[in-house]
Amino acid sequence: KAGVTQTPRYLIKTRGQQVTLSCSPISGHRSVSWYQQTPGQGLQFLFEYFSETQRNKGNFPGRFSGRQFSNSRSEMNVSTLELGDSALYLCASSPGLAGGPGRGETQYFGPGTRLLVL
Amino acid sequence: AQSVAQPEDQVNVAEGNPLTVKCTYSVSGNPYLFWYVQYPNRGLQFLLKYITGDNLVKGSYGFEAEFNKSQTSFHLKKPSALVSDSALYFCAVIPQGSNYQLIWGAGTKLIIKP
Repeated sequence: KAGVTQTPRYLIKTRGQQVTLSCSPISGHRSVSWYQQTPGQGLQFLFEYFSETQRNKGNFPGRFSGRQFSNSRSEMNVSTLELGDSALYLCASSPGLAGGPGRGETQYFGPGTRLLVL
Repeated sequence: AQSVAQPEDQVNVAEGNPLTVKCTYSVSGNPYLFWYVQYPNRGLQFLLKYITGDNLVKGSYGFEAEFNKSQTSFHLKKPSALVSDSALYFCAVIPQGSNYQLIWGAGTKLIIKP
């Protein structure tokens, strides 16, 4: 099976702009989670989507939003970019039917999108 | 508060020697435990997980981890390190049956010297 794919791999934006990142999960996986990774804060959970519904949400401002399509592909949007949004954004997929990692499911990660905000 | 600690920011090991990357946790109830590895400019790759059963879990690339309930630890081990094992290793934990997301450690940089 093909792995999790993320596009684009690299992005450079300026403050105030908005950005949309895309994630295609492993075929058959219905859960998609998004993480932000920075050297200072480590891995931080943004949100999880399952069957086109947000099932779980981390502690990020409303500028960070996402959605999931009927084919399980997911997009993440960040509006009004700030310098602090520079990070590696990781997408992870899992089957989702069992309820996520709390039921023992393994998440499989994509290569990430590296966002630089100038 | 629920947490995961990886007490060493960096571990240096000579090639061919055994390696250990430490992880301790604090969660309410029984945990599920995971190890992931991240190579430069790559996403995280799943190594192994403890769900239930045998406390010694074997995973990818010759890695294994031992769940120790009394010490609330889940240390990652490999009998003989390879230079290619050099990477960033993350431990993650979640209370069994919870609807929370994974609680991640800060990561340990493993450097294997030839």
